[in-house]
Amino acid sequence: GQQLNQSPQSMFIQEGEDVSMNCTSSSIFNTWLWYKQDPGEGPVLLIALYKAGELTSNGRLTAQFGITRKDSFLNISASIPSDVGIYFCAGRRTTSGTYKYIFGTGTRLKVLA
Amino acid sequence: DAGITQSPRHKVTETGTPVTLRCHQTENHRYMYWYRQDPGHGLRLIHYSYGVKDTDKGEVSDGYSVSRSKTEDFLLTLESATSSQTSVYFCAISLIKGTDTQYFGPGTRLTVL
Repeated sequence: GQQLNQSPQSMFIQEGEDVSMNCTSSSIFNTWLWYKQDPGEGPVLLIALYKAGELTSNGRLTAQFGITRKDSFLNISASIPSDVGIYFCAGRRTTSGTYKYIFGTGTRLKVLA
Repeated sequence: DAGITQSPRHKVTETGTPVTLRCHQTENHRYMYWYRQDPGHGLRLIHYSYGVKDTDKGEVSDGYSVSRSKTEDFLLTLESATSSQTSVYFCAISLIKGTDTQYFGPGTRLTVL
């Protein structure tokens, strides 16, 4: 099935560093969602984006809806140990009858104290 | 907390036995989804529902059936469980019209021996 290309696949960073990850698609999306998943739990919605160029923040997290509508970016500033987890992007095209979301392959983040 | 519960949270069963997983929501959202998550595959859509008694297949629907007789409940049934169906199963709900977001339940870990 179709999946979004998400990069990097994994990253080790030092506590306090900023983190950037992105998600790209060959198709245009009307909605981009970013999730974080901790071990043994379900994905938790972090940020939702609805317009090309939109920039939305949630605490130390900032996400952007790419201008081409084929990509999205997530930045985490001043990382802390609890930022460890897997980050997923998801997109949806608002064509008629489309109720399905397409997910990225995930970015596994590890923070070194 | 998106008001989604899944039951059971853990289950161990034997090959060939039927298994039913339940997803219950208190949000009155129209759209409900079942995903499975496996290492190296990310989140894959099994089935989804766009209303009571309205369901459709996702990308990995073989061996699974679903039913939705009430807005709040979405059942996933493995008619005859196989070892390849060992996985973590997530239910999700969406409103789509209004606020296009998707929220996940806590997951069910299923082991088929």
